[in-house]
Amino acid sequence: DTAVSQTPKYLVTQMGNDKSIKCEQNLGHDTMYWYKQDSKKFLKIMFSYNNKELIINETVPNRFSPKSPDKAHLNLHINSLELGDSAVYFCASSPNAGRNTEAFFGQGTRLTVV
Amino acid sequence: GDSVTQMEGPVTLSEEAFLTINCTYTATGYPSLFWYVQYPGEGLQLLLKATKADDKGSNKGFEATYRKETTSFHLEKGSVQVSDSAVYFCAFNTGGFKTIFGAGTRLFVKA
Repeated sequence: DTAVSQTPKYLVTQMGNDKSIKCEQNLGHDTMYWYKQDSKKFLKIMFSYNNKELIINETVPNRFSPKSPDKAHLNLHINSLELGDSAVYFCASSPNAGRNTEAFFGQGTRLTVV
Repeated sequence: GDSVTQMEGPVTLSEEAFLTINCTYTATGYPSLFWYVQYPGEGLQLLLKATKADDKGSNKGFEATYRKETTSFHLEKGSVQVSDSAVYFCAFNTGGFKTIFGAGTRLFVKA
């Protein structure tokens, strides 16, 4: 059983399109995240959710809209895709937001905008 | 602001060589420190962690010691294997709903 699963694994789309990435965790965690990893492997937090509520939005463009229908799911919808959105997007979860808590990552979604 | 600085890669070693990857951090508050590893085509997974000063985290032959006085958490392994080839991320968490990651260090181990 995969603990944090994302779909799709690969996504190739044209500029201007709208796309969604889905994430589900079966660990019973309260906190979920979206991270963006650029071509140089730099990993940056985009959003944090706790019990379905948005806690952190790290100055991400409005074209990115996360949605958490329940604690186990955190989806990412992207409108009007741009070339600069090409990256690997990772979903993660943790039991809570405590400082000692590790994050569990999905396998990533490689988004390529052409 | 909060940040992690780790040595730039790639680091290329021969099998059985000694590995050190340097990591220093700047954090407001008292962080827990982590090393994550990312194997090709996979997500990050926790390698080890330390939650207070002078703690040593260890796993799979890797070790790192929380040095508060030098704000460092250097990763070491005495004898690397080809299977250790991956990207290693130093990170910390102060409990603010996010983990701050370094830029990652790619390690190549040659047989």
